Amino acid sequence: AQTVTQSQPEMSVQEAETVTLSCTYDTSESDYYLFWYKQPPSRQMILVIRQEAYKQQNATENRFSVNFQKAAKSFSLKISDSQLGDAAMYFCAYRESGYALNFGKGTSLLVTP
Amino acid sequence: DAGITQSPRYKITETGRQVTLMCHQTWSHSYMFWYRQDLGHGLRLIYYSAAADITDKGEVPDGYVVSRSKTENFPLTLESATRSQTSVYFCASGAGTGLSGANVLTFGAGSRLTVL
Repeated sequence: AQTVTQSQPEMSVQEAETVTLSCTYDTSESDYYLFWYKQPPSRQMILVIRQEAYKQQNATENRFSVNFQKAAKSFSLKISDSQLGDAAMYFCAYRESGYALNFGKGTSLLVTP
Repeated sequence: DAGITQSPRYKITETGRQVTLMCHQTWSHSYMFWYRQDLGHGLRLIYYSAAADITDKGEVPDGYVVSRSKTENFPLTLESATRSQTSVYFCASGAGTGLSGANVLTFGAGSRLTVL
């Protein structure tokens, strides 16, 4: 299985500040999909943002945006204007032309007032 | 109710017992998946199914059995539960392999299984 690496087990950010979560992956494919999922204490897996590899433009969803560096195989998530409700575990995931997602081990985000 | 539902949400069992976790989706999605989540491991794929009567192994299939006689149901059975199978199990479904809305995986709420 392709490897997805999240090198930050835990991150902390103050409310209203910006934080970036890192993700790198390993693949020999040219077309694939990348995702960030959020898992709050309720355990529900919530899709935050998605990116298709052949699209050079970085995806944006409201306060969430990505920095997709295809050559570097990097897919970081930036959360702007952090809110208390952003506190959660964040998982980076990769998918090829098949259907199963490969997940990283997650980054726990703490948001302080 | 529309969506993807897992049952039971919580289950405690003993070593050696058979346990079945149920997953039901109302969208008629072709693809369904079972993942397990353990601290320090993220989510790991156990089994997946591309359609009724088509299943295949994921990364950690040992000790698990799946079936898919109907498109909407994808039960996961632990034939003889072991303590190492204590975990949170997630079912997910998706319509296809592209990136458009229906093809993005949607997850159930998870089933926490404890094997004593």
